[in-house]
Amino acid sequence: GAVVSQHPSRVICKSGTSVKIECRSLDFQATTMFWYRQFPKKSLMLMATSNEGSKATYEQGVEKDKFLINHASLTLSTLTVTSAHPEDSSFYICSARVRDRNQPQHFGDGTRLSIL
Amino acid sequence: SQQGEEDPQALSIQEGENATMNCSYKTSINNLQWYRQNSGRGLVHLILIRSNEREKHSGRLRVTLDTSKKSSSLLITASRAADTASYFCATASANQAGTALIFGKGTTLSVSS
Repeated sequence: GAVVSQHPSRVICKSGTSVKIECRSLDFQATTMFWYRQFPKKSLMLMATSNEGSKATYEQGVEKDKFLINHASLTLSTLTVTSAHPEDSSFYICSARVRDRNQPQHFGDGTRLSIL
Repeated sequence: SQQGEEDPQALSIQEGENATMNCSYKTSINNLQWYRQNSGRGLVHLILIRSNEREKHSGRLRVTLDTSKKSSSLLITASRAADTASYFCATASANQAGTALIFGKGTTLSVSS
């Protein structure tokens, strides 16, 4: 089956640090990748949609200068949380999908980000 | 913005019993998908049902879709302790190709042995 690898699984760092999270599709080419944020016991909130080779589309209320997304290849997208603060602490999950929207999204295992 | 609303929010059952979760949505869809999430992990895809389908099975899972009522249900038969997880429905818009899934708030299922 399709596998998406997300790394790192957990990050603990000081306020003001920038953190990069990687999302890789291991056995398929992902034309589109998605980044979600999830608060405890809550649903997934879409942050941005990333298409290979083009700029990410951010959801309303998500600061694009705060959450930098790069989708340089069909198998890799990165999310960089710049100058992270405690309020950025959350569970971040990526997913990847082929072009056909009648195919499911495949999710990484998430990254637990804790900013001290 | 969230589209789906799952019902109930939480469900506790005994092993061997069936679990039914419902999902309602608001706009026209291309397909509806159900996912499972174990605590602290990513989501696992369970079933995708297209807007022109009414019912779909996969092992112990049965999904129905009623587009006239904009609702779907997920039935897990003969539940096991390992089925304990959160279950989310997610919809793919009929009008916007390439857009992300919109997730509901989820149902937390607890299966005790």
